[in-house]
Amino acid sequence: QVQLVQSGAEVKKPGASVKVSCKASGYTFTSYGISWVRQAPGQGLEWMGWISAYNGNTNYAQKLQGRVTMTTDTSTSTAYMELRSLRSDDTAVYYCARDATYSSSSLDYWGQGTLVTVSS
Amino acid sequence: DIVMTQSPDSLAVSLGERATINCKSSQSVLYSSNNKNYLAWYQQKPGQPPKLLIYWASTRESGVPDRFSGSGSGTDFTLTISSLQAEDVAVYYCQQYYSTRPLFGGGTKVEIK
Repeated sequence: QVQLVQSGAEVKKPGASVKVSCKASGYTFTSYGISWVRQAPGQGLEWMGWISAYNGNTNYAQKLQGRVTMTTDTSTSTAYMELRSLRSDDTAVYYCARDATYSSSSLDYWGQGTLVTVSS
Repeated sequence: DIVMTQSPDSLAVSLGERATINCKSSQSVLYSSNNKNYLAWYQQKPGQPPKLLIYWASTRESGVPDRFSGSGSGTDFTLTISSLQAEDVAVYYCQQYYSTRPLFGGGTKVEIK
C-alpha cells in the first residue's frame, strides 16, 4: 500500500533552517511527483511547491521563492523540503503528498504531517 | 494565480440532511483540449492530513462513499453531501490544479446542527 512517512517534529529559532523528509513506499517513486503543503495553526492549506521525482524539476510558491528548496533521493525514495531563514509565521504542520510526474495534479496520498515550531 | 473562493465559511446541517459547499475560481479551470475541469475536493478531520474525495471536479476517489458528489464546470463548483453522517464533520477544501500554482480554497467547516 502507498505510504508517505515524514520525519518528526522540529523546534527551531528564528533565522534557522529546517529540512523535513518524506519517505515513500508502495509505488514507483520516480513515476510521480511530490507536493508540499503547510497548515499554520487553525488556518487553511497553503501549497508550497512541487517536485518531479522523475527529473527533479521544481515549481515553488512565489512567496517562498529563495527560501525553499525541494529535492529527492531516488535511491531511498525520499523527498526533502528545506526552508531557510525561518520566521515565527513559518510555524505550521508541513505535509508531503503524492502528485503527478510532470505537473501538479490532485493529491491522492498524504504524509502524516510534521510540526515545525519557530520560536525564540 | 488562480484564486479559489469557498462559501460558506461554515455550515451546520442536521444528520441525514444535505450539505452543499461552493467553490469559485477566479479563472476557468476547464481545459478545452480534454474537456476536464482541473478541480479537486479534500476532507480534513481534526488532527489528520487531508483526504482526497473528488478529482476532475466530479470523479469520486476509490473508497469514497457515494453520498459525496462533485459538480460544476469552468469557474463554479459544488461539493454535495447528500445525507450528512456524523463522521462527515470536517473541513472541506477545494483546489485547482489547472495552473502551475495549484492553490486551495479557504475551507468550509461542516458541523452537525
